[in-house]
Amino acid sequence: QKEVEQDPGPLSVPEGAIVSLNCTYSNSAFQYFMWYRQYSRKGPELLMYTYSSGNKEDGRFTAQVDKSSKYIPLFIRDSQPSDSATYLCAMSANAGNNRKLIWGLGTSLAVNP
Amino acid sequence: DAGVTQSPTHLIKTRGQQVTLRCSPKSGHDTVSWYQQALGQGPQFIFQYYEEEERQRGNFPDRFSGHQFPNYSSELNVNALLLGDSALYLCASIIFGTQQPYGYTFGSGTRLTVV
Repeated sequence: QKEVEQDPGPLSVPEGAIVSLNCTYSNSAFQYFMWYRQYSRKGPELLMYTYSSGNKEDGRFTAQVDKSSKYIPLFIRDSQPSDSATYLCAMSANAGNNRKLIWGLGTSLAVNP
Repeated sequence: DAGVTQSPTHLIKTRGQQVTLRCSPKSGHDTVSWYQQALGQGPQFIFQYYEEEERQRGNFPDRFSGHQFPNYSSELNVNALLLGDSALYLCASIIFGTQQPYGYTFGSGTRLTVV
C-alpha cells in the first residue's frame, strides 16, 4: 500500500463545475499537508497547505483535513479552463530539517469551456 | 527575484552513459533537494544538500550522486543510465531551518530521456 494515494483520473468537467479531488494516506505520523498544482512541462507549484484538522479556504480552493479518516480532499469551486492541470497532494511527518515530502501520484484535471 | 533555475531543459542519453543536471536555487535559499518524477507518477525524493553535504537520501542507488557548490547551486549526476531513469528531474530549494515543509520552491525540471 502506498503511503499517499490519489485517484489518477483523468477527470474531465465542464467550466463552472465543483471539483472534488481525493487524497488519502496511511501513515498517521504525517502532520503537514500540501496541495500542489503542476501544469504540463512545469514543476509543481504550491497551491495550499495546512497542518490542522478542518477546512482551509483560499479563493475558489478549499482543502479539508480529516486526520481520523486520513483523508485530505481538495475542492475547487467555479472551475475554470486555467485550472486544467495535475493536482498532487504531498505530506510530511516532520518540520525543520528532517522533513521530506511524500507525494501521491497526482490527479489529472481537464476543465472544458 | 529569480526562482529555481534548472538546466538543461531536455536531454536525451543512451543507456550506460552518464549525465549531469544542474540547479540554481532561489535567491536566499541555501538548501537543495532533488526529486525524480516518472511519467504519471508523483515526485520521489532522491537527496538533499546543505553546506555542500548530502543531508538526507531517499531510496535511490549509488548511481545517483550529487554535489553542492559554495554558491548553493547543485548538480545531480547519474551514472550507467538505465531506461528506467527516464523521468522529469526536479530541483527544489528552501532556506535551511525553515520549519514549514511547504516552503519549497520547485524548478521546472529537466526532462531526461534514456534510449
